[in-house]
Order: sequence, then C-alpha cells, then structure tokens
Amino acid sequence: GNSVTQMEGPVTLSEEAFLTINCTYTATGYPSLFWYVQYPGEGLQLLLKATKADDKGSNKGFEATYRKETTSFHLEKGSVQVSDSAVYFCALSPPSISGNQFYFGTGTSLTVIP
Amino acid sequence: DAGITQSPRHKVTETGTPVTLRCHQTENHRYMYWYRQDPGHGLRLIHYSYGVKDTDKGEVSDGYSVSRSKTEDFLLTLESATSSQTSVYFCAIRGRADYEQYFGPGTRLTVT
Repeated sequence: GNSVTQMEGPVTLSEEAFLTINCTYTATGYPSLFWYVQYPGEGLQLLLKATKADDKGSNKGFEATYRKETTSFHLEKGSVQVSDSAVYFCALSPPSISGNQFYFGTGTSLTVIP
Repeated sequence: DAGITQSPRHKVTETGTPVTLRCHQTENHRYMYWYRQDPGHGLRLIHYSYGVKDTDKGEVSDGYSVSRSKTEDFLLTLESATSSQTSVYFCAIRGRADYEQYFGPGTRLTVT
C-alpha cells in the first residue's frame, strides 16, 4: 500500500542552524512527493514538490530531493529563521489513481529559537 | 491562493446534533476533498468529489456524508455528531499542474 513516515518531533533549533526533517515513503510505481507547511491556526500551504526520481523541489530556501533508491524525500534548509517555526508535513500522491488521494505523514513540529 | 473558503471557521455543538460544514471554491476545480486533522494522525481523507454529484469515500468516512450539487460547493455533514468527531476539518482542491492539493483555512469543530 501507500504510506509516508516522517521523523518524530518536536524539533527545536537555534536560529541559523541547519535543518533536516526525514521523510520516507512506501508506494507502488512512481508517486509525486510534496512538503507542506502549516503555521499556527492556518491551513496547509504547499512548500515544494517533486514529480519524478532525482527531481529537486525548492522554495524559500527549503529543498528536498526525490530519491527512488532510498524511497526518501528529506526536507532541508541551510539556515533556519524564527519565522520557519511551523509544522511540516510530507505527502505523496500515487500515480494514475482516480481521485488523486494524498497520503500524509503525521507532521513534524519545528520551533526555532533566537 | 486557490480561492478556497470554509464556513463556519469555528463551531461548538452538542452530541447528537447534525452539523454541516461548507467548502466554497471560486476557480472551477473539478476535484475537492474533505480531511480531518488530529494530533498524531496527520491528515486523513474523509470523502472526496470528482465532479457535481460524484463523490467517493476516503479512509475515515464512517459517520460523515457529503454532497456536491454545484462545482463550487462541497458540503460535509455529520448526521449525528459524536465527541470523536471533535477535530479540525480541512477542505482541499486538486491543482491543475502536478496534481498538488491546495487547502482551505480549516474549521475547528468541538462536539460536547
């Protein structure tokens, strides 16, 4: 079946530290992969995406590379800011599935302290 | 911004009462989704729609029904609310580029 496993949180970092949030997936075929961010009291916002193996998605200094061989899509940022404090969700969309159901990880809470 | 609004944004109701949540989109997207978000579970799909009057069940559909009589509106109904349905409910639409989903601001529902 299809599933996403994210590293457990919460994660607390100092400003300007390096961030990695691990995400691995199980899927048949070649899914599309996504990272979403949720700020307190808000809905999920698409942060970045990758639709095929070896693609790198990037946005706002965040990056993630679609690794088919390790079934991973780890989120990274070189220097976090206080404003990056949020919950981050990894998600996959299976290929060619009617309805395009998404499968979400359980989320990783990030707090960045000054 | 995919032009998605949800109403109400907050609701408190009593066990056993019916509740309807509304999702409205302005960009004529075909696919719409209802999720619930609970601590430790991420987001779980309740129902989705692939067109007017075309709907299907998701992972956690028991106790919920949906309707879509117009492209722009997707309604989620709890026929008889229970405390286990206390949650934050999100509506989403499917984008046209790479099948990404865009989410509304959410409705916080408390069943007492």
